[in-house]
Order: sequence, then C-alpha cells, then structure tokens
Amino acid sequence: KAGVTQTPRYLIKTRGQQVTLSCSPISGHRSVSWYQQTPGQGLQFLFEYFSETQRNKGNFPGRFSGRQFSNSRSEMNVSTLELGDSALYLCASSSEGASTEAFFGQGTRLTVV
Amino acid sequence: GQQLNQSPQSMFIQEGEDVSMNCTSSSIFNTWLWYKQDPGEGPVLLIALYKAGELTSNGRLTAQFGITRKDSFLNISASIPSDVGIYFCAGPPPGANSKLTFGKGITLSVRP
Repeated sequence: KAGVTQTPRYLIKTRGQQVTLSCSPISGHRSVSWYQQTPGQGLQFLFEYFSETQRNKGNFPGRFSGRQFSNSRSEMNVSTLELGDSALYLCASSSEGASTEAFFGQGTRLTVV
Repeated sequence: GQQLNQSPQSMFIQEGEDVSMNCTSSSIFNTWLWYKQDPGEGPVLLIALYKAGELTSNGRLTAQFGITRKDSFLNISASIPSDVGIYFCAGPPPGANSKLTFGKGITLSVRP
C-alpha cells in the first residue's frame, strides 16, 4: 500500500508570491491534515479535511487555505508569501480523523526568499 | 491551547543503553501517539495508545499511557545508531479529535 505522497518535495518562492502544495493520502483514507513545522514553533496544526469538508482549523491567518477533492487528495495554498512562511509543510492522512493513527508524508520544504 | 511537554530537548546515550522519555500535559488526553522523525523526512508513527494504563510494545520500543491520562512514556531498549532522530509525542486535545497537538520533541543521539 503506497504511503502519503506530497509534491513537490522542495520549493523556493519569492515574498508576495503564492504557492500550492499537494498531498495524496493513503488509499482508503478520507481524512487529510496539514501541519507546519519550523524550528521555533515545532509542529503546528493548520487544518483538517474529511470528505471534502474542513472539519478543523488551526490558528493561522487567512492566507493559508486548503481544499480536498472527491478522491481525498488535498491541496493547501498560501497566498502573499512572507519570509516567516518558510517551513516544512507536512500532510498526514488517517482513516477517520486524528483520534486514530495519522500517517505523514515526507513533507514539502518551502523556502521564501 | 493544549500543550504537550517533553524534556529534555536533547538526550545523549551510548549504543546498547536503554533510554526513557516522557510526555506530560496539563489536560487529559484520550489518545497518545509517539512519532520519530529523521532529518528531512516526515514523522513516522511508532506506537499508538488508546487506554489509560495501556502498555504497548513495538520491537525494542515500549510505550505506556499514564493512568492519569496526563502523561505517556516511551522506552527504547538496547539502543542502536539508527535510533538517532527526534521523538515526538502527540495526541488529539479534548473535544478536537480531528487535529493533533505535538510536543516539541526530544533529539536523541546515540554514541557508537
């Protein structure tokens, strides 16, 4: 069974640009969550989608948004990039939600210059 | 918000030694998850715990769900060089089953 796939693995963007990251969950998993990981703040929850609906959202500005498609694949978008958005963005999938095991992808390393 | 506390930030052990790390919270958690992260990779789930007092093993790893529901422990026995990495505890905070709160992690170094 294939794991969680995130694309791209690495990305360099300029301040003010916008970026879209993609996540394909484990087959059969309907829940996809996104996390931001930085050295200072650690792993922080961005949002979670289940069956195309956002079920929960973390404390991030509206520049961070996401969506989930009918095949459970998810995308997250960050608009008007800031230097502080540089981070490892991780996607996790689980069958029902975070109360069961969540499996992470390798992440997308975003660098904003 | 809910916080999970892990300390110390770093641990240094000799190959072959056992190591124990814990995770505490000021609030009750109904699920405890332990992850390991290697550099440049995503966290890998090691052990999941769902019941207070539960003791679960995965090879050389053993984790326990504290009976107060406010802590959890991870033990690694007979450490080997590939145990090097960052170990995180995580759990869904009460009333928010669809998101995980993570501890800051403990960086484990194993000296050969």
